[in-house]
Amino acid sequence: ETGVTQSPTHLIKTRGQQVTLRCSSQSGHNTVSWYQQALGQGPQFIFQYYREEENGRGNFPPRFSGLQFPNYSSELNVNALELDDSALYLCASSGRGLAGHNEQFFGPGTRLTVL
Amino acid sequence: GDSVTQMEGPVTLSEEAFLTINCTYTATGYPSLFWYVQYPGEGLQLLLKATKADDKGSNKGFEATYRKETTSFHLEKGSVQVSDSAVYFCALSDLGNTGKLIFGQGTTLQVKP
Repeated sequence: ETGVTQSPTHLIKTRGQQVTLRCSSQSGHNTVSWYQQALGQGPQFIFQYYREEENGRGNFPPRFSGLQFPNYSSELNVNALELDDSALYLCASSGRGLAGHNEQFFGPGTRLTVL
Repeated sequence: GDSVTQMEGPVTLSEEAFLTINCTYTATGYPSLFWYVQYPGEGLQLLLKATKADDKGSNKGFEATYRKETTSFHLEKGSVQVSDSAVYFCALSDLGNTGKLIFGQGTTLQVKP
């Protein structure tokens, strides 16, 4: 069974640029959630994708967008990067069961630095 | 809205000491509760979970009991090791459509030999 993988591991961008982060979900999982973890903080929910549709969104502006593909892998896109976007971006996959009780499996994260 | 509060760190202990990391939560309904661990430079690993009141989650010598009456889910271990040094996050899963995780701010544990 393959776990959750993310790419790239590290990324350095400058303000105003755009970035795409990628996530492959764990085998058998059809739901992907993205989280942003600023330094010294707990992860914050960005959004979730289920069956290629956005299924819910946290308090993040529209310049954070995503996609989910038929194989359930996912992308996170961030436009017009700001310095505060520097963070560890975590992807988590889960199966679809009773809401609130699904275990989420996390990838190793992508460390984004915005200069 | 729902929230999780953890004791502030860092927590510094000697090897074989007893560990408690406090976690309290605010939520409507009865969410599942989790402890995740994050080792330096890595993502989050699920340490243990509990899905209903009075459940005890346990793994690798760590335990936590879902206490509805005190809205708490404190993490304990009887004898810590240097390898337990990490950041520990308490979380609850939202009972809405997404089941998103709501995390505390994390508690850093440093275990000295």
